[in-house]
Amino acid sequence: AQSVAQPEDQVNVAEGNPLTVKCTYSVSGNPYLFWYVQYPNRGLQFLLKYITGDNLVKGSYGFEAEFNKSQTSFHLKKPSALVSDSALYFCAVRDPISSGSARQLTFGSGTQLTVLP
Amino acid sequence: GAGVSQSPSNKVTEKGKDVELRCDPISGHTALYWYRQSLGQGLEFLIYFQGNSAPDKSGLPSDRFSAERTGGSVSTLTIQRTQQEDSAVYLCASSTYEGYGYTFGSGTRLTVV
Repeated sequence: AQSVAQPEDQVNVAEGNPLTVKCTYSVSGNPYLFWYVQYPNRGLQFLLKYITGDNLVKGSYGFEAEFNKSQTSFHLKKPSALVSDSALYFCAVRDPISSGSARQLTFGSGTQLTVLP
Repeated sequence: GAGVSQSPSNKVTEKGKDVELRCDPISGHTALYWYRQSLGQGLEFLIYFQGNSAPDKSGLPSDRFSAERTGGSVSTLTIQRTQQEDSAVYLCASSTYEGYGYTFGSGTRLTVV
């Protein structure tokens, strides 16, 4: 079974400061990992993914995430936060050796990021 | 189409009525997924379609929920005899077979009164 944990329901950061949104995962093999962002009354938008290769993945809007296999983590980061980054962020995982129904992504519970001006 | 299209965007229905939610995936995407997002909650997997294979219905919360996908494209999620606890945002997503990432629609906000 695959699972994702986002330990923080809420993260507050001042504009211009670096931000981190935490994610840890559990899968039986090497994971596919994803970050999505959801703005109010909108669907989820893809930010970035880790499939294989470099552990540091760069995505949309200046976000990046680092895959750490030993810590089973995939934390989302941005060097300088903007007020417009305020949104709900979801981490998701999939076990790539899964087939059939297990191809579905399993999502974390989400972290509400608020960037204060 | 260019993106995943869901309709209606909002639906208010009376308790006990049936509702149908529609999803039109990205052209060429063989996989289609339905998720439910309740207020303040994460995403709950409902059902998964892959090409012409039998769908995975393991996430459907009760037998009042059903879904079909016609011609490997458009999907309809049907909720019969709606209950207040069915109120949520229903999100549809599609992907290529490899499932490297989903593209989500904007969702249907269902309110059961």
